[in-house]
Amino acid sequence: EIVLTQSPATLSLSPGERATLSCRASQSVSSYLAWYQQKPGQAPRLLIYDASNRATGIPARFSGSGSGTDFTLTISSLEPEDFAVYYCQQRSNWPPWTFGQGTKLEIK
Amino acid sequence: EVQLVESGGGLVKPGGSLRLSCAASGFTFSSYSMNWVRQAPGKGLEWVSSISSSSSYIYYADSVKGRFTISRDNAKNSLYLQMNSLRAEDTAVYYCARDGIAAAGTALRGMDVWGQGTTVTVSS
Repeated sequence: EIVLTQSPATLSLSPGERATLSCRASQSVSSYLAWYQQKPGQAPRLLIYDASNRATGIPARFSGSGSGTDFTLTISSLEPEDFAVYYCQQRSNWPPWTFGQGTKLEIK
Repeated sequence: EVQLVESGGGLVKPGGSLRLSCAASGFTFSSYSMNWVRQAPGKGLEWVSSISSSSSYIYYADSVKGRFTISRDNAKNSLYLQMNSLRAEDTAVYYCARDGIAAAGTALRGMDVWGQGTTVTVSS
């Protein structure tokens, strides 16, 4: 099973600042990594698929990068609605398609 | 409007059974692979099971293998999760989620549509 480790567990920033979230895989997942945003009481929302492709309707301030085992989600300038929990998920060729433990992005 | 609506959650005793349903609307259900993902109270997301568009490929997490069964009825635009031998650790919100399809028609390796979730509580 591929283990995804997200860091940091909690990130405290202010609106307007740049956020950088990390996801590291225990073995290569090529570019088959997705990022999701989840707000309290809501279902997750797909932000990024295949490491760097924005999903439909996702603002350009969200970007993803990386391949192999190291991936990054960057939010260029935080808006108030961006404070949430972010999960990465690997979608390699074979299941289980594991999630990371999440990074909570909170207002400083 | 593209929509997924789960139902069937509730309170069940350990060892009991429950069947979750997910009704799809607003898209061609038979063209998409589907998933179940769960989230225990205060915890992160856990992938549970996936089924391909024609039910040819079915996968389970080790934690539910042999106890849960995923299925679909494309004529009814519905996804199901039969859960048997339930344990306290199965307590969670269960989401159904659609695997996306990219503009080129290839599989989009991400879940682009989610339901609102249904709560399963396993307790005596």
